[in-house]
Amino acid sequence: KAGVTQTPRYLIKTRGQQVTLSCSPISGHRSVSWYQQTPGQGLQFLFEYFSETQRNKGNFPGRFSGRQFSNSRSEMNVSTLELGDSALYLCASSLDELAPLLEYTDTQYFGPGTRLTVL
Amino acid sequence: TQLLEQSPQFLSIQEGENLTVYCNSSSVFSSLQWYRQEPGEGPVLLVTVVTGGEVKKLKRLTFQFGDARKDSSLHITAAQPGDTGLYLCAGPITQGGSEKLVFGKGMKLTVNP
Repeated sequence: KAGVTQTPRYLIKTRGQQVTLSCSPISGHRSVSWYQQTPGQGLQFLFEYFSETQRNKGNFPGRFSGRQFSNSRSEMNVSTLELGDSALYLCASSLDELAPLLEYTDTQYFGPGTRLTVL
Repeated sequence: TQLLEQSPQFLSIQEGENLTVYCNSSSVFSSLQWYRQEPGEGPVLLVTVVTGGEVKKLKRLTFQFGDARKDSSLHITAAQPGDTGLYLCAGPITQGGSEKLVFGKGMKLTVNP
């Protein structure tokens, strides 16, 4: 099976612009989570989508948004970019929708990330 | 406030040395996970520990979950240059009825040949 793919791998934008990042999960995985990784804050949870619905959300401003399509592919969008948005954006997919209900942590498979630089 | 604190944050050692990295919290976790992330890649899951006091071994890596399920450690024996990377611990928390993973900031390990 192919792993999680993210496009583009690198992106350079200027302040005020908006950006859309794409994530294709492992075939059959229905849950997609997005994370922001910076040297100062580490890995921080942005949001999770399952069956085209946002199931969970982290503590990020409304400029960060996402969506999931019927084929489980997901996109995240950041509007009005700020310098502090420069980061590695990681997406992770997982298989078992019953995991939260059964109270165990399903394995998340991460993509290689998109490195966003805001100038 | 970081829910999971990792120490040390950086470590540079010679090939063949042993090391231990710690992951501590004031909160109880149902499970903790350890990941390794190499430059240019996403984190890869190494192990999940779920029972207080549990010890798991993966070749030269030994993972332990504290009895109170508030802390975990990763011990690497006879480190090799291929062990170089960022080691992250993570645990699930429930927020708003849904579960999410929180991560420590990681321990950046460099093993010199």
